[in-house]
Amino acid sequence: KQEVTQIPAALSVPEGENLVLNCSFTDSAIYNLQWFRQDPGKGLTSLLLIQSSQREQTSGRLNASLDKSSGRSTLYIAASQPGDSATYLCAVLNDYKLSFGAGTTVTVRA
Amino acid sequence: NAGVTQTPKFRVLKTGQSMTLLCAQDMNHEYMYWYRQDPGMGLRLIHYSVGEGTTAKGEVPDGYNVSRLKKQNFLLGLESAAPSQTSVYFCASSYNRDEFFGPGTRLTVL
Repeated sequence: KQEVTQIPAALSVPEGENLVLNCSFTDSAIYNLQWFRQDPGKGLTSLLLIQSSQREQTSGRLNASLDKSSGRSTLYIAASQPGDSATYLCAVLNDYKLSFGAGTTVTVRA
Repeated sequence: NAGVTQTPKFRVLKTGQSMTLLCAQDMNHEYMYWYRQDPGMGLRLIHYSVGEGTTAKGEVPDGYNVSRLKKQNFLLGLESAAPSQTSVYFCASSYNRDEFFGPGTRLTVL
């Protein structure tokens, strides 16, 4: 059974600081890994999807790395802004099913 | 394109009542999923479907039933609601292993 862990559970930083969010998973036989953003009371917005054959993906200020052999992914958010405050969820895909971590709740202080 | 829609957005039930949550997608996706999200636990897969007329159990299927009579619709039923089923329910559909999520249904069982 795939287990996905996200550390830390919560993070508070001043505006402008870079964010580093960690995700680990127990079964390395994944098809892909996805990072989502969730705002309070809202649904999930896909941020980045990394295929199992890729090492990283970038979109604007966001960069996600994947080390499948060690079961780790890291999401970097450069020059954080108050609008980046949200919960970030990591999910891995095995056999057409996603397994989610519990998320990291980020607060960016103005 | 409406994407993935869920009906209703909110619902309050009494213990023992039944209800059906509707998920609809207009993207012609084969795969559809129902998840529940509880505080501090991320999303957990309830049931999923790999095509019209098919359904399969996920991680936490007890107390729920599903049907996929039409490709665009995936219904989640609670036959006899229990307080433990108080949660936020998310539906998703998938194309090429990239999942798209609905806005969620917030269900409270008293």
